[in-house]
This record gives sequence, C-alpha cells and structure tokens, in this order.
Amino acid sequence: EAGVTQFPSHSVIEKGQTVTLRCDPISGHDNLYWYRRVMGKEIKFLLHFVKESKQDESGMPNNRFLAERTGGTYSTLKVQPAELEDSGVYFCASSQVVDTQYFGPGTRLTVL
Amino acid sequence: EDKVVQSPLSLVVHEGDTVTLNCSYEVTNFRSLLWYKQEKKAPTFLFMLTSSGIEKKSGRLSSILDKKELFSILNITATQTGDSAVYLCAPFDNAGNMLTFGGGTRLMVKP
Repeated sequence: EAGVTQFPSHSVIEKGQTVTLRCDPISGHDNLYWYRRVMGKEIKFLLHFVKESKQDESGMPNNRFLAERTGGTYSTLKVQPAELEDSGVYFCASSQVVDTQYFGPGTRLTVL
Repeated sequence: EDKVVQSPLSLVVHEGDTVTLNCSYEVTNFRSLLWYKQEKKAPTFLFMLTSSGIEKKSGRLSSILDKKELFSILNITATQTGDSAVYLCAPFDNAGNMLTFGGGTRLMVKP
C-alpha cells in the first residue's frame, strides 16, 4: 500500500512569491491533516480535512495560507505571498481513524 | 494551551544499551497518545496508547501510558545503530482533532 506522498520534496522561493504544496493521502483515508515545523520548533497543527470539508483550520497562521481538497482526494496548500517566516517543513498526514495518523515525508520550504 | 514536554532532549548510547524516553503532557480533552520515530523524512508511526498501565510492545520497543500522572515512556532494549532517530510523542486532543507534538528526543546509538 502506498504511503502519504508529498510534492515537491524541497522548494526554494523568494519572498513575495507564491508556492503550492501538494499532498496525496493514503487511498481511502477521509482525514487529511497539514502540519508545519519551523526551525527549532515543534511540529504544529495547521488544519484538518474530512473528505473535502475543512473540519478545523485553527492552526493556519494567517490568510496568506490557503488549503484545498477538491474532490476529497489530494490536497494543496498555497502560500501567497510567501514571507521569510514561512520557511520550514510542511508535513501532510492522513488517517481513517482520526488519531492514527500516517505522515508523508514533508516538503521543505525555503523562503529567501 | 496543550503542552508536551519530552526528555531528555538528546541521548547518546552504545549498541546494546537500554534507553527510556519520557513524555509528559497537558491536553484539554485527551483521547490517546502516539509515538513516532523520525529518521530523515516522514515520522513513522510506532504506537498508539489509550489506556493506562497497558504496555504495548513491538520487538525491542515498548511503551506505556499513565493517564493519572499524564506521562508516557518509550523503552528501547538492546539498542542498535538503526534506532538512531528523533522520537516524537504526540497526544491527541479530542476537542481539536489534532496531534500536539513535543520537541522530540534525539537518540544516537553508536556502534
């Protein structure tokens, strides 16, 4: 069974540019989560989808971040415009049961 | 605000040693606690604990939860170099449907 995949593995952009991260969950998993770890900090929750609906987006830092999951399959996380403090590793996780979450390898975002 | 503290921050041992990693937590609406192993990329799921006092085992790894004292431990016996990783604990908050991560314990096992 394929695991959670994320694309790209690493993105380097300049401040002010736009970046879109993609997550493909494990097939059949209705729950999809985005988390982020910024340098030297813990992994922090961003938001949770159940199928295509946003269940909880309390962790989204500000309105420069937009997450979508059209059709309830893969999800995208867009950062527009990117700022220096957005640099970090963005993880996606999916689950059938809410608390057993399987993580992807992460996308490392570097904003210069 | 939910809080998770892991100790030690890092640990260096030799192959064959036994290690105990600690995780204490404060979560508003506790449902379960998960342990993950992170080597280079994706945190890999190890255990999910929901009940106090029931040890979960997987090979040389075992873990137990104390819901009264709000902590969990992860034991690794007869460590191997392949156990070198960051170990993360994450209680699940039923109110927010999210995992709250600790800072992790970095374990290095030397040959």
